[in-house]
Amino acid sequence: EIVLTQSPGTLSLSPGERATLSCRASQSVSSSFLAWYQQKPGQAPRLLIYAASSRATGIPDRFSGSGSGTDFTLTISRLEPEDFAVYYCQQYGSSQTFGQGTKVEIK
Amino acid sequence: HVQLVESGGGVVQPGGSLRLSCAASGFTFSSYGMHWVRQTPDKGLEWVAFIRYDGSNKYYADSVKGRFTISRDNSKNTLNLQMNSLRTEDTAVYYCAKDAAAATLTYYYMDVWGKGTTVTVSS
Repeated sequence: EIVLTQSPGTLSLSPGERATLSCRASQSVSSSFLAWYQQKPGQAPRLLIYAASSRATGIPDRFSGSGSGTDFTLTISRLEPEDFAVYYCQQYGSSQTFGQGTKVEIK
Repeated sequence: HVQLVESGGGVVQPGGSLRLSCAASGFTFSSYGMHWVRQTPDKGLEWVAFIRYDGSNKYYADSVKGRFTISRDNSKNTLNLQMNSLRTEDTAVYYCAKDAAAATLTYYYMDVWGKGTTVTVSS
């Protein structure tokens, strides 16, 4: 099973700042089959990024994904108030596993 | 408007059974694979099962294999999860999710999620 480790656990930032979230896989993720989701309290996860760097429909361009192999990054260029949430990475190249999440909180 | 609505959650004793359903609308249900994913505060998100668009192939997480059965009724746009021999560690919010790719042999990522239904296994 591919284990995904997200860091940091919590990111404390102010609106307008840049957020950089990391997702590291225990083995190479085939074909960059990695996705990112955003989840707010009481809501279901929402797809942001798939195939490591492709934005899902309707996702603002301040969200970007990058990486390959075992190291992936989600970047939010300028945090908006609605971006404070928990973010999960998921690999779907070998079965399906999720990272434990990174909480982006208001500083 | 694509929508997934789960139902069937509740409280059940260890060793008991429960059947979850998911009603789909707003897309051609019979063209897409479907997933069940669960979430707990301790273990986070955990993929549970996937069924191909035509129901011909099913995949399960090791933690539920042999106890849970995923099925679908394309004539009723409905996805199901039959959960038997329930354990306390199956307590979670269960989400139904649509696979992003149409008519494929395998699974990809989830592009639409329901709001979830809560299952509590407790004596």
